[in-house]
Amino acid sequence: GAVVSQHPSRVICKSGTSVKIECRSLDFQATTMFWYRQFPKQSLMLMATSNEGSKATYEQGVEKDKFLINHASLTLSTLTVTSAHPEDSSFYICSARPAGTGTDTQYFGPGTRLTVL
Amino acid sequence: EDQVTQSPEALRLQEGESSSLNCSYTVSGLRGLFWYRQDPGKGPEFLFTLYSAGEEKEKERLKATLTKKESFLHITAPKPEDSATYLCAVQAAGTSGSRLTFGEGTQLTVNP
Repeated sequence: GAVVSQHPSRVICKSGTSVKIECRSLDFQATTMFWYRQFPKQSLMLMATSNEGSKATYEQGVEKDKFLINHASLTLSTLTVTSAHPEDSSFYICSARPAGTGTDTQYFGPGTRLTVL
Repeated sequence: EDQVTQSPEALRLQEGESSSLNCSYTVSGLRGLFWYRQDPGKGPEFLFTLYSAGEEKEKERLKATLTKKESFLHITAPKPEDSATYLCAVQAAGTSGSRLTFGEGTQLTVNP
């Protein structure tokens, strides 16, 4: 149980294009999902908290117009990297917290490797 | 500001050689402490949640313990497949939306 998927697992794009990453909770509903970024040999950095049906809450220093988050349903959140540049290349990981269970545990997806040329 | 410090940064063990990983934390009221395992190129895999000092949880060769200042992840008779980076994270009481603060992780290598 508590499986989270991400799509795509890897994406390579040209500078200036936009990329959408999907995060799905497969066997539970999640009112709250989270988006993290991880650089090589470093830990996870929270980018934003996504709440179903409302605007995402971004961490300090994260550009909300560049990293668009949509949490349209209880099982799906998307992260769109707009006008991507090489410095946006990173490993993006989402997590989801099961709704209605009283648990604070976050379950993570497998991650998406973004490379911007 | 919530802080999590993990030690050591890296640990090499021989198969069967038991050891412990440390997670020291500073938080304004602990709501929960979480341990995850992360393999290269993959997302973190949930291991344990601890809520109060004195609590212990076990899973196979792993045992997590919690005090008011730190948590230990004990690995008994490790196997090569236990090689991974182990991440510790805390959630502060009153944190909206279950925000987690992660440590830098301990990279564990178990040699056969």
